[in-house]
Amino acid sequence: EAGVVQSPRYKIIEKKQPVAFWCNPISGHNTLYWYLQNLGQGPELLIRYENEEAVDDSQLPKDRFSAERLKGVDSTLKIQPAELGDSAVYLCASSSLGFADTQYFGPGTRLTVL
Amino acid sequence: DQQVKQNSPSLSVQEGRISILNCDYTNSMFDYFLWYKKYPAEGPTFLISISSIKDKNEDGRFTVFLNKSAKHLSLHIVPSQPGDSAVYFCAASRWGYGQNFVFGPGTRLSVLP
Repeated sequence: EAGVVQSPRYKIIEKKQPVAFWCNPISGHNTLYWYLQNLGQGPELLIRYENEEAVDDSQLPKDRFSAERLKGVDSTLKIQPAELGDSAVYLCASSSLGFADTQYFGPGTRLTVL
Repeated sequence: DQQVKQNSPSLSVQEGRISILNCDYTNSMFDYFLWYKKYPAEGPTFLISISSIKDKNEDGRFTVFLNKSAKHLSLHIVPSQPGDSAVYFCAASRWGYGQNFVFGPGTRLSVLP
């Protein structure tokens, strides 16, 4: 069974540029999570989807971050414009029933903003 | 305000000995806890869990202990192996559908051959 796929694995951009991350969850997983992980910290939830509905986006900085999961499968997280402080690893995870202990993480996208 | 704390950023242990990783939480509503393991350039992978109705859960070489009154849990790895070298995250939540987990900052374990 294929795991959670994320691309790109690494991205370097200049500040004020836009950037997008893509995630394809495990087949059949209805719940999808986007996390932010800063250096030396644990993952912090940005947004959680149940199918195509964003059921928890309370931690998503909506002035510059947006996300979509149009068909309830893969998802895109966008930052526009990027700031220096956005440099971090962006992790995607999925689970089948919405119980977070069954969530499977992708390898992450490491973003560097110069 | 960190709700889940792992006060040891790193830990070194000799192969074959016991590794003990600690985690403290502040939110008394948390009743379900997980440990995740993360290798470099990979996402975290689930290791072991415990709910507040238990004070111990074992899975092979891994045992998690929960002390509710102290709001403290620990992960014991016995015997430690070089392949256990990774970052370990403690995470806490309220049990139930749709609950989100709060992660600690992680402890980097190095098991020395």
